[in-house]
Amino acid sequence: SAVISQKPSRDICQRGTSLTIQCQVDSQVTMMFWYRQQPGQSLTLIATANQGSEATYESGFVIDKFPISRPNLTFSTLTVSNMSPEDSSIYLCSSGGASGRYNEQFFGPGTRLTVL
Amino acid sequence: AQTVTQSQPEMSVQEAETVTLSCTYDTSESDYYLFWYKQPPSRQMILVIRQEAYKQQNATENRFSVNFQKAAKSFSLKISDSQLGDAAMYFCAYRISGTYKYIFGTGTRLKVLA
Repeated sequence: SAVISQKPSRDICQRGTSLTIQCQVDSQVTMMFWYRQQPGQSLTLIATANQGSEATYESGFVIDKFPISRPNLTFSTLTVSNMSPEDSSIYLCSSGGASGRYNEQFFGPGTRLTVL
Repeated sequence: AQTVTQSQPEMSVQEAETVTLSCTYDTSESDYYLFWYKQPPSRQMILVIRQEAYKQQNATENRFSVNFQKAAKSFSLKISDSQLGDAAMYFCAYRISGTYKYIFGTGTRLKVLA
């Protein structure tokens, strides 16, 4: 299994600013993922953070708005840029198991973002 | 495109009773994985149970079991002897074998009554 931590756990931000969310895994993992969970909704995959290459974004999400870094096999960041109230959501980081096993994803506790 | 549907936004169960959460999915694939995840109020998503589509036997994990009907594309979760700690949001999820993409249902909020 993998234990994932996220920072910050929550934040309140002003419109037009940016927030960077950090995700740390306690073991080396091949894949790291970023999800958005809007209030009372399901999880939507934003992008896959690839180590050593650019992130792969899902339809409806773009790099300019959600730049992602993956400097090593245990860490990733997601930035929410030029925020608007519509970006208010919970952002979840997850990882595939070690050695690239896809049979289970482990999730961080999430970052609750409120944009005023 | 694959879809996952959870038709019960909210369910209630009496402590120690049994409850079944429904999930249906749509796919043209023959090989895939299905999951039930639990998200307590603390927000940490936890894997409850996993089912490989090629396995006919229903998965079981202690008090949690599934009823996997591949032809009907149905994947329900049964929780036996419900406990207060089972109260959470439950998400059904689908993953195509060999890929990393998960598709989540909209979730079912389970309330456990003392």
